[in-house]
Amino acid sequence: DIQMTQSPSSLSASVGDRVTITCQASQDISNYLNWYQQKPGKAPKLLIYDASNLETGVPSRFSGSGSGTDFTFTISSLQPEDIATYYCQQWRTFGPGTKVDIK
Amino acid sequence: QVQLVESGGGVVQPGGSLRLSCAASGFTFSTYGMYWVRQAPGKGLEWVAFIRYDGSNKYYADSVKGRFTISRDNSKNTLYLQMNSLRAEDTAVYYCAKDRGSLGSQFDYWGQGTLVTVSS
Repeated sequence: DIQMTQSPSSLSASVGDRVTITCQASQDISNYLNWYQQKPGKAPKLLIYDASNLETGVPSRFSGSGSGTDFTFTISSLQPEDIATYYCQQWRTFGPGTKVDIK
Repeated sequence: QVQLVESGGGVVQPGGSLRLSCAASGFTFSTYGMYWVRQAPGKGLEWVAFIRYDGSNKYYADSVKGRFTISRDNSKNTLYLQMNSLRAEDTAVYYCAKDRGSLGSQFDYWGQGTLVTVSS
């Protein structure tokens, strides 16, 4: 199975900061990489699909890029409501998650 | 609007069985693949199983293969997960999720989850 790694495992940033999370696949997965947001006690929510496509209704401050084995997820201006854990996913594998807090 | 509502969770002893259900509405259930994903307390997400829209193909995580069975009844718009030989490490919130329907695998709608606790 393909392995997914994410970094960092957690981060703390100020409101308005640019936040970047990376996800690396153990082999070439083309652009088949998705990003999810999970707030405490809630189900995950799809934000980005196929590496760079914004899901309908998701704010434009969220974006994704990459292909092959290296991918990046960015929040251009962190908002208080973005406090959550973010997961990358490809087929049957999720990354370990990145917990985002407000400094 | 799309709704997925899981039920059937609870407390079960090790070695026991449980069947989860996921009632779907707001979309044409019979045309989409469906998943089960679980999350152990304080842990990350773990993909459990997938079933094609027509039930013709099923896939399982190695951790549940041979013990869990995914199925669906398109006439009832319902997804199931039969869980046998349960272990303590199966304790988790179980989510059903809908496939987005595009090439690749994306979960575009999720249920609220149902908690399964395996304990003596």
